[in-house]
Amino acid sequence: GAVVSQHPSRVICKSGTSVKIECRSLDFQATTMFWYRQFPKQSLMLMATSNEGSKATYEQGVEKDKFLINHASLTLSTLTVTSAHPEDSSFYICSAWDQTGASTDTQYFGPGTRLTVL
Amino acid sequence: AQSVTQLGSHVSVSEGALVLLRCNYSSSVPPYLFWYVQYPNQGLQLLLKYTTGATLVKGINGFEAEFKKSETSFHLTKPSAHMSDAAEYFCAVSVGIQGAQKLVFGQGTRLTINP
Repeated sequence: GAVVSQHPSRVICKSGTSVKIECRSLDFQATTMFWYRQFPKQSLMLMATSNEGSKATYEQGVEKDKFLINHASLTLSTLTVTSAHPEDSSFYICSAWDQTGASTDTQYFGPGTRLTVL
Repeated sequence: AQSVTQLGSHVSVSEGALVLLRCNYSSSVPPYLFWYVQYPNQGLQLLLKYTTGATLVKGINGFEAEFKKSETSFHLTKPSAHMSDAAEYFCAVSVGIQGAQKLVFGQGTRLTINP
């Protein structure tokens, strides 16, 4: 089945530094990936839609200069949290569409990345 | 705009009892509906989905859900709860055309199984 990985699974950084999170579709190509943010005991909030070869589309209220998204290939999207602050601490989850597989209407989710900013 | 409401942020049942997690949706177009499960510190795993066709859909781990258009509902059920079912469950509706669909999630329901 379709598998999505994320790296790292957990990261702790100092305030003011930048952190890059990778999202990979391991056995399929994905022209579209999505980045979500989840606070403790809350639902997932869509941050942006990542499109291969073009600029990401950000949801209202999400700072595009703070959350940089690059979708350089059909299997890799990256989210960079720039100048991270403690309020950016959260669980970040990506998902991807398997647009050529049997379930083209299903998003497959990565395992998530726990970011803690000290 | 599409939206999802999950009734009950926390449901607790005994092992072996019926599990019922409620989901109501709002959509201006025929919806695609999904149930996902999330275990602690993990991503989401698809349980089942409704797109078109049969309104009763069966998923993994013995779960099933029925799409009821007249009630705008997509409740998740399992006849007999198992301890391993304890997790967070999310109902979601898709937005947009196939292949580039955003998902709108409900608030989530935490399922606890009592021995």
